[in-house]
Formats: sequence, structure tokens, C-alpha cells
Amino acid sequence: AAGVIQSPRHLIKEKRETATLKCYPIPRHDTVYWYQQGPGQDPQFLISFYEKMQSDKGSIPDRFSAQQFSDYHSELNMSSLELGDSALYFCASSLRGSRELVDTQYFGPGTRLTVL
Amino acid sequence: AQSVSQHNHHVILSEAASLELGCNYSYGGTVNLFWYVQYPGQHLQLLLKYFSGDPLVKGIKGFEAEFIKSKFSFNLRKPSVQWSDTAEYFCAVYGQNFVFGPGTRLSVLP
Repeated sequence: AAGVIQSPRHLIKEKRETATLKCYPIPRHDTVYWYQQGPGQDPQFLISFYEKMQSDKGSIPDRFSAQQFSDYHSELNMSSLELGDSALYFCASSLRGSRELVDTQYFGPGTRLTVL
Repeated sequence: AQSVSQHNHHVILSEAASLELGCNYSYGGTVNLFWYVQYPGQHLQLLLKYFSGDPLVKGIKGFEAEFIKSKFSFNLRKPSVQWSDTAEYFCAVYGQNFVFGPGTRLSVLP
């Protein structure tokens, strides 16, 4: 079965550089979520999109922005990178519909970002 | 505000021992409850979920969880763990929004 795809899987950047992470949801899923998991920490919700509109916002820094495109893929743009941005960035997708389907989130493999 | 707590930071068991990982949440409304597992070096995977109906939910790999509404709990259980169950386990709750617990690291000794 198709799963959530994230690219790249690994990314190394210098401080103050920019990075773009991509997420391709499971086909027919209309909602995308971004999470940040620092070393030894639980995933922290950053932002979510439903039908190309931002639906919820968590602890996303102002230096980060994200959007969901017409084909439902999403991109997380990170600027002025800091050492503390080094983390695993997960994307998850879900199908928003009946209550039974709400937020059964299927996670991608993550992008490991290292900021040097 | 909605929150999720997990009782243990690190649990160490021998193979064949029984497992129970605690999860409590705070939210007054209707919730959906999830347990995710993260094996070393891998991404989060859904173990099981509860939306409604029978509060005892069976998931993959022999795991089950029981929703006790009066206690705001959703504890994960497995009668006999294996070395391959070594992983990080996250409880998550969807009420107002989707919130993860801090995780419990399970180490199973062969």
C-alpha cells in the first residue's frame, strides 16, 4: 500500500542557510501535518493543512513557513537555520471525513535535518 | 489545555514478561486515542486506536489497550514481550487537536 513519502531523507545545512522539506501524502488524503522531533524528545506539532488551507498551527517558529499545493503535497520551508533546528521532521497525512476517520494519522519516514 | 502524560520514561523487561505502559490525558470532551511505536532508526507507526465502542482495543503485534473514561487513561498492554518490541512508544490523543505524550522507551532484554 502507498505510504507517505518525504524527501529528502537526510539533509545537512549550515547555520543561516535555508532548507525545504517535501511531503507527499497517501493518495486521496487531504490533510497534512508537520512534526518536529528533537533528539530524545517526543514529536512536537508544527502546522497542518486541510484542502490547501492552513488548519492548525502549533509551535512553528516564525522562520518556518509551509504550504499545501493543489496536488496535496506539502512543503516546509525553513530559513535562517539554527543549530537547534537539527531534528527529525515528520510529515503525516490523513483523510478528513467521518469522525471515524478523523486524524488517523499515517506518518512518513521523516527527514533528518542536521544543521552544522 | 489538552495534555498527555506517560507514566514511565524507560521500562526494562526480560523477554516473555508482561507489559503495561500507562497513558493519561486531560481533556473534557470526546477523544480519539492512539498508540504509536517508533522502532530504533525508523518512523512512527500506528499500533492501535480507539474511536468508540468496545473500550478494549486490539492492535498489531499482540498489543492491546483499554480506554477507561473515568480515569482518563488508555494503557497499553502486551502479555508477553519479545526482544523485537524494543522501541519508543507514544500515546497520542485527539480532542481539540492532536497531542503526543512524551514517550516511553521500552528495552527488552533477550
